[in-house]
Amino acid sequence: GAGVSQTPSNKVTEKGKYVELRCDPISGHTALYWYRQSLGQGPEFLIYFQGTGAADDSGLPNDRFFAVRPEGSVSTLKIQRTERGDSAVYLCASSLIAGTITAAPGEQFFGPGTRLTVL
Amino acid sequence: KQEVTQIPAALSVPEGENLVLNCSFTDSAIYNLQWFRQDPGKGLTSLLLIQSSQREQTSGRLNASLDKSSGRSTLYIAASQPGDSATYLCAVIGNQFYFGTGTSLTVIP
Repeated sequence: GAGVSQTPSNKVTEKGKYVELRCDPISGHTALYWYRQSLGQGPEFLIYFQGTGAADDSGLPNDRFFAVRPEGSVSTLKIQRTERGDSAVYLCASSLIAGTITAAPGEQFFGPGTRLTVL
Repeated sequence: KQEVTQIPAALSVPEGENLVLNCSFTDSAIYNLQWFRQDPGKGLTSLLLIQSSQREQTSGRLNASLDKSSGRSTLYIAASQPGDSATYLCAVIGNQFYFGTGTSLTVIP
C-alpha cells in the first residue's frame, strides 16, 4: 500500500494479558516512530527506530513495553501484563530520512492507529 | 523538557473566515516543526513541514510560519470551509518529538 498501515485497528483485551500491535511503514522509509494518544491529548512519543535499531526508546513508560523492527521494515509494539491505564490509541509513523545529531528527520506520515482497550 | 502549547484549544468560525492557529514551544533548539490535522477517530494527516532554517511554508489555502527565537509557529487558514473542521496539531522535532494538545476547529456552514 501507499501509506502506513497498522493492525489491528481495534484491540480489546483483559488486564494482565499480552498484546502485540503491528505497523507497516511506507516502503523505503528508514525511520519508524511509535506514539500513544489518550483522549483529548496530543500524541506522546514512545520509541523511534533508525533501520533495525532503536535510536531513542526514552518514551517507553516502563519495562512492560517493548518494540522491535527486526528487518528494518515492519515493527511490532509489545505490551506485557496490560493495565487499564494502557488503554489509548497507539499511532505509528514513518519518515524517509532518519535524523542524526546534525540533521533533521524527515516529514512524518502516520498510520490510522490501533485503539487498545484494556478491561 | 520541551513544552508545546496550542491556543486556542477550540475555535468555531463561520465559513469563509480567515483564521490563525497558534503553537508555542519552550526550547528553540529544534530541527523542524510539522503541522497535522486529525479527524475524529483517525490518524494524523501531514499538512506542512517547516525546517528550522525556514520562516514559512505554503500549501494551497494553508500558510505556516516559524519564529524559532520566540518559540512560535502559526498556521493560517484562508477562506475556511466546513471540510476544514478537524483538530490541528503541531509537532516540534528536536532531539525528541513533542506534540501540542491541538486546536479543535469547527467551521460553520
